[in-house]
Amino acid sequence: DTEVTQTPKHLVMGMTNKKSLKCEQHMGHRAMYWYKQKAKKPPELMFVYSYEKLSINESVPSRFSPECPNSSLLNLHLHALQPEDSALYLCASSQESADRVYGYTFGSGTRLTVV
Amino acid sequence: AQSVTQLGSHVSVSEGALVLLRCNYSSSVPPYLFWYVQYPNQGLQLLLKYTSAATLVKGINGFEAEFKKSETSFHLTKPSAHMSDAAEYFCAVSLSNFGNEKLTFGTGTRLTIIP
Repeated sequence: DTEVTQTPKHLVMGMTNKKSLKCEQHMGHRAMYWYKQKAKKPPELMFVYSYEKLSINESVPSRFSPECPNSSLLNLHLHALQPEDSALYLCASSQESADRVYGYTFGSGTRLTVV
Repeated sequence: AQSVTQLGSHVSVSEGALVLLRCNYSSSVPPYLFWYVQYPNQGLQLLLKYTSAATLVKGINGFEAEFKKSETSFHLTKPSAHMSDAAEYFCAVSLSNFGNEKLTFGTGTRLTIIP
């Protein structure tokens, strides 16, 4: 299995809703990432998990709450979002090594619309 | 800080013509450089990567890139464009810090293929 699977593919939520995005990989990768991509813009890093622990938070608002229950699964919990949070949310994973760089494997993303 | 700059937000080439997408980097240490492709409403797919082995890197779908330290460049080329190459292309630089890869993207180049 060489894929990162994201669900759902599309999500529409109201500003008072609570929802979660799910990301799964079975490649044995120990680093997992959440990126946010607005239309016609490059992806922007939100969070990095390394060995199931949060290692980087790029000053993301607390209405986004990441969770890594195990080495294969990454969630992003959403609460009280704003319309400007509408975007494509991408999950990625990579092998982890102090002396080599492998590049990421990306999922196909969740298209989120906040109404 | 490491960064990449992509020259030209839009590039149009005729089918069968040479594709050249430009990327320049800024880095105080030897960089790890990547090219990713993104088709509409999809995630990012790794085309190729430079990790200091060979300066000419061959990737998937007939693409290649050459690392030129003297010019701080990592331009992406393909000898003959195909209609299926139409997509958004991102150059990226990675900083490996204690085993965590942190991938930073350029602003992207939209490639249009003219029949």
